[in-house]
Amino acid sequence: GAGVSQSPRYKVAKRGQDVALRCDPISGHVSLFWYQQALGQGPEFLTYFQNEAQLDKSGLPSDRFFAERPEGSVSTLKIQRTQQEDSAVYLCASSLGRVPYEQYFGPGTRLTVT
Amino acid sequence: KNEVEQSPQNLTAQEGEFITINCSYSVGISALHWLQQHPGGGIVSLFMLSSGKKKHGRLIATINIQEKHSSLHITASHPRDSAVYICAVRRTGNQFYFGTGTSLTVIP
Repeated sequence: GAGVSQSPRYKVAKRGQDVALRCDPISGHVSLFWYQQALGQGPEFLTYFQNEAQLDKSGLPSDRFFAERPEGSVSTLKIQRTQQEDSAVYLCASSLGRVPYEQYFGPGTRLTVT
Repeated sequence: KNEVEQSPQNLTAQEGEFITINCSYSVGISALHWLQQHPGGGIVSLFMLSSGKKKHGRLIATINIQEKHSSLHITASHPRDSAVYICAVRRTGNQFYFGTGTSLTVIP
């Protein structure tokens, strides 16, 4: 079946613009994670959903970052008033259930803020 | 402070060599993951461990919960194994902490 997909794959935004990044998890996967990966670094946790509930958003770096998953499938990560330090690859991953399950990663969205 | 430390940061090996990448962590975990990331960003999950040892093809992963340490071994390394290998731990909640990765280059 299809894996995790993300769109767009690349996004260039001018500083101050709002952006929306989309994640389509594997069908039936309960858990969905967003990560931020700066160049040369490992991914850093942003937020976690179990179905439509956002159970953990402790990794979101500021209140400019907002994520939602209203119907428990597709998720959107929104960044308002983008700053240069927001430039990174944003990774989405999904897993089957709530207990530790293997994660399946999307290809990521590379955001460049100019 | 970094909850997950990997070593080495960079590793170059000749084809056929046995490779070990180490991961140490400082927090209580429910599971540890080894991930492979190729240039261009795609991440593939190699293993998820909560105890003991797992083997898949030429890859072996071990974990020692008491010592808070895991190793990833690659036997008979091949140039296609060249990638960044990332150790990630899942806390008993839902947070994941990632190491900065080990960049492996296998030379033919």
